[in-house]
Amino acid sequence: GENVEQHPSTLSVQEGDSAVIKCTYSDSASNYFPWYKQELGKGPQLIIDIRSNVGEKKDQRIAVTLNKTAKHFSLHITETQPEDSAVYFCAASNPGGSYIPTFGRGTSLIVHP
Amino acid sequence: NAGVTQTPKFQVLKTGQSMTLQCAQDMNHNSMYWYRQDPGMGLRLIYYSASEGTTDKGEVPNGYNVSRLNKREFSLRLESAAPSQTSVYFCASRTAYGYTFGSGTRLTVV
Repeated sequence: GENVEQHPSTLSVQEGDSAVIKCTYSDSASNYFPWYKQELGKGPQLIIDIRSNVGEKKDQRIAVTLNKTAKHFSLHITETQPEDSAVYFCAASNPGGSYIPTFGRGTSLIVHP
Repeated sequence: NAGVTQTPKFQVLKTGQSMTLQCAQDMNHNSMYWYRQDPGMGLRLIYYSASEGTTDKGEVPNGYNVSRLNKREFSLRLESAAPSQTSVYFCASRTAYGYTFGSGTRLTVV
């Protein structure tokens, strides 16, 4: 089955800096890669996703890149703000797995004012 | 805009007690899921229901049962709770690809 590794487990940055979270996956058939943000006491919320026919996708201050050859994808947050502090999860899914995602273990992002 | 609603939000059980976690979605999604979240372990799938009338095991189904009551509701039952089931439980429903999660149930088994 699919295996998703996520790094780092904790990331601490100063407000205004950029943050990068990296994930690798094992199943070359995976073709959909969502990212979720989980704020304290809440459920995860989808913030951005990318499909395997696209190399990069941006939405305001967040972007996701995908390297299919190397089987890794990354979340980039620019101009970080304290409200970006949360746990971020990457995931990978494919048609063979009924599109049920395999999640990474999460990255706790702390943005210091 | 309720989305996915879970009840209760918090629960403390004694070892051996039973309980049912309730989940309902109002988005007319076919697929519904139950996950547990433990520190450092990410989100692990317990059971899922691809459509009304069907249920399937996920990665960690032991000690749990589920019922897809209708298209809206998907419940998770612990027949005899164990301390290892102390966790935060999330219900989710799915569009073509992305999930909508509920706000979770924090369960402690003592």
